[in-house]
Formats: sequence, structure tokens, C-alpha cells
Amino acid sequence: AQTVTQSQPEMSVQEAETVTLSCTYDTSESDYYLFWYKQPPSRQMILVIRQEAYKQQNATENRFSVNFQKAAKSFSLKISDSQLGDAAMYFCAYRSADSGGGADGLTFGKGTHLIIQP
Amino acid sequence: KAGVTQTPRYLIKTRGQQVTLSCSPISGHRSVSWYQQTPGQGLQFLFEYFSETQRNKGNFPGRFSGRQFSNSRSEMNVSTLELGDSALYLCASRELRHYEQYFGPGTRLTVT
Repeated sequence: AQTVTQSQPEMSVQEAETVTLSCTYDTSESDYYLFWYKQPPSRQMILVIRQEAYKQQNATENRFSVNFQKAAKSFSLKISDSQLGDAAMYFCAYRSADSGGGADGLTFGKGTHLIIQP
Repeated sequence: KAGVTQTPRYLIKTRGQQVTLSCSPISGHRSVSWYQQTPGQGLQFLFEYFSETQRNKGNFPGRFSGRQFSNSRSEMNVSTLELGDSALYLCASRELRHYEQYFGPGTRLTVT
């Protein structure tokens, strides 16, 4: 079974600065997808960014980018120019790309609580 | 497009009762997945449906069941409720050709 580990329960950053959230995962599969989701106090899970394992290029979405290191099984999220609205729980998630998506759906890490200091 | 909708948003039930939660996916999304979120266990996958068939199932007892209708709407049912079933239940939908899932606002279930 796949596991996803987020080693930082909480991170704090000054507004307008850059912060990196860490995520490592364990899998024996070669083809999979990785995601970062954001869950603000409203509890609505919002997709931030996705990465296909077969793509070497790191995904970028505006101020959000990832550092995907497949050999190291590492998938960190960098948030540039942090804004107050970025404050939320951030979850790293894994999904197998095999037929049917695997038995486990999305496997989530425990989350990192990101605090933005004004 | 309208997002994923879930009803009801809040629910209070008593131990031993059963409950049905509903989820309407984004238009055009044929896959619906359900997740349970608790402070202790975090986010856990319950099951996924598409084409009205359960495709994948997480490690939950048989008290947790679901179904999907021809319009892709889905319901999940929990029978013989236990205190530990208190959680936020999240529904997510996706297009079959993509793997990213889009979540609804959740149903907060409290079992007393």
C-alpha cells in the first residue's frame, strides 16, 4: 500500500514571502499522480496543483510550483509571494495510474497547517 | 460549471440509526468518490463509483455502502451508526479520462 508523509504539522510564513511544504511518499508503482490540495477553514478541499509521475517537468500554477524528485519520492510545494488567503491546511495526495485507479482512491498525508503572518 | 454539491451539509444522528448522504457531481463527471475525514485518522478513501458500479473500495466495514444513479449522482449510506462515525464526509468527482478530483463542501455528521 502507498503511504504519504507530510513531516511538517505546521508552518508559518510572513506575507509576501516564499514557503515550501514537504511531502514524501512510498510506492512500488512507476506510474502515478501526485496532488496538492488546500483546505481552508470552510473545509472545502481545493485542488492546487497536479503532477504526473511520467513528466519530468515540474508543474506550476501561478504562485504555486512543485519540486518533484521521483527517485527520492519527494513532492514539495512552493508558494511564492504568500498571501493571507493562502492560510489553510495543505494536503499532499497520491493516486495510482493503473487501470481503475487502484484500490485506494486518493491516499492523503496528514496535512500541514500553513499560517500567514501579516 | 456548478461545483460538486452535497446534501445535507450538517446532520445529527443517534447511535444505531442509519443515514444517507447525497452527492451531485460536476456536470460531465462520471466518477464519484467518497472520503471520510476525522481528526484522528485524517482523510480516508471509502469508495469510488462510475457507470453505476462500485469500482474501488477502501478499508471500511460493510456498514458503509453506496450507490450511483444513471445521472452520476451518488448516495452513501451508513447503517447502525457508531460514535466513531462522526466525521466530515467528502464527495469528489472527476472526468474518467483525468485523475484529478474536485471536492464538494462535505457533510458534517455527528453521532450522539
